[in-house]
Amino acid sequence: GESVGLHLPTLSVQEGDNSIINCAYSNSASDYFIWYKQESGKGPQFIIDIRSNMDKRQGQRVTVLLNKTVKHLSLQIAATQPGDSAVYFCAENTPAEGGYNKLIFGAGTRLAVHP
Amino acid sequence: NAGVTQTPKFRVLKTGQSMTLLCAQDMNHEYMYWYRQDPGMGLRLIHYSVGEGTTAKGEVPDGYNVSRLKKQNFLLGLESAAPSQTSVYFCASSPVVRGKLFFGSGTQLSVL
Repeated sequence: GESVGLHLPTLSVQEGDNSIINCAYSNSASDYFIWYKQESGKGPQFIIDIRSNMDKRQGQRVTVLLNKTVKHLSLQIAATQPGDSAVYFCAENTPAEGGYNKLIFGAGTRLAVHP
Repeated sequence: NAGVTQTPKFRVLKTGQSMTLLCAQDMNHEYMYWYRQDPGMGLRLIHYSVGEGTTAKGEVPDGYNVSRLKKQNFLLGLESAAPSQTSVYFCASSPVVRGKLFFGSGTQLSVL
């Protein structure tokens, strides 16, 4: 399969621990944010999203926190499992030309879960 | 329900050759996108479409052309491939402008 993220920052955690993946976004006008998970050889999969009028949103075992003051986004994964091992991307929805919006992705963080 | 389907999955081209990547979605989504993914650089938007018959440039459009003649299909063309276009290409679709994208499984393209 293809090589994804050969030079990505890596977060290593023990199975059962909580994981926190951080992301800094660039555009203060961005109004919607998404976290994606990408396993080797596959396309990105949606995990959770949050709109700019919220500070926190919870899903199943995942929580996203948004700090607009410092333009920072984080993804918390509770009780990390081996199946959580993947590359995680944050994405911001940002205004584009013509009044449209486009999704801009960060470089990604590799999560390695050890038994 | 197939979702987003990309063809081909793998392709090797020589410099200067042309090819078309096909993306098809069966979810009746208005919005479709082409991204490329290079190691350590995340996904970069090449072109996108907000509806049948419309296309727009993304972050890295040079060397690519697109067409959206039918709502369910979004084609990405390389007229004269260059080694710098070696990458993994992902197509995605979404039902609304601010919403999650549904991705295909990718096309690995190598230009020699």
